[in-house]
Amino acid sequence: LAKTTQPISMDSYEGQEVNITCSHNNIATNDYITWYQQFPSQGPRFIIQGYKTKVTNEVASLFIPADRKSSTLSLPRVSLSDTAVYYCLVGPGYSGAGSYQLTFGKGTKLSVIP
Amino acid sequence: ETGVTQTPRHLVMGMTNKKSLKCEQHLGHNAMYWYKQSAKKPLELMFVYNFKEQTENNSVPSRFSPECPNSSHLFLHLHTLQPEDSALYLCASSQDRQRLNTEAFFGQGTRLTVV
Repeated sequence: LAKTTQPISMDSYEGQEVNITCSHNNIATNDYITWYQQFPSQGPRFIIQGYKTKVTNEVASLFIPADRKSSTLSLPRVSLSDTAVYYCLVGPGYSGAGSYQLTFGKGTKLSVIP
Repeated sequence: ETGVTQTPRHLVMGMTNKKSLKCEQHLGHNAMYWYKQSAKKPLELMFVYNFKEQTENNSVPSRFSPECPNSSHLFLHLHTLQPEDSALYLCASSQDRQRLNTEAFFGQGTRLTVV
């Protein structure tokens, strides 16, 4: 299971673009990269997922370099409501029987300042 | 609204009580999960069910007893808990547990306080 490392916390002003980088040096060939967002006292919410290059949706962009040993979640023009913990998960697209767990690390606590 | 519903939202129980947490999803998912989130700690995966069969038990004390009667419902039975068991208990579901590239949906959680 690929281990992920991300900053414990980040601060940003409203309206700025925020980039959160996750390191996953031992990512496997069939691993996908997924980001979740969690507000206080709520369950995590899926934001975006990718395998390589760039993925964009209405919420965020995910940049994955060619070596896939890291990934960057980009949140454009953050607002106060984007204050949350952001989790990076790496796991197989298909693992076969019994090996994959949906496991969360400590995540990155993003604080958006007015 | 994620499609995963947990009840109750809040629960206060004594150490000698027996209570149950309920999770329900009608998303057609085959995998369901229980997580525990204590204050200022990461999410801890407790149990995993895939097609109603328990596939993971991450060294959870026996005072927590899961039950999955069908693929839409998941229960967590609680008895003789300790104050340190106070936490947010989250239920999640996904298409199946063997693939990450399917989105997991979480409920709002049950805030449990053991007194």
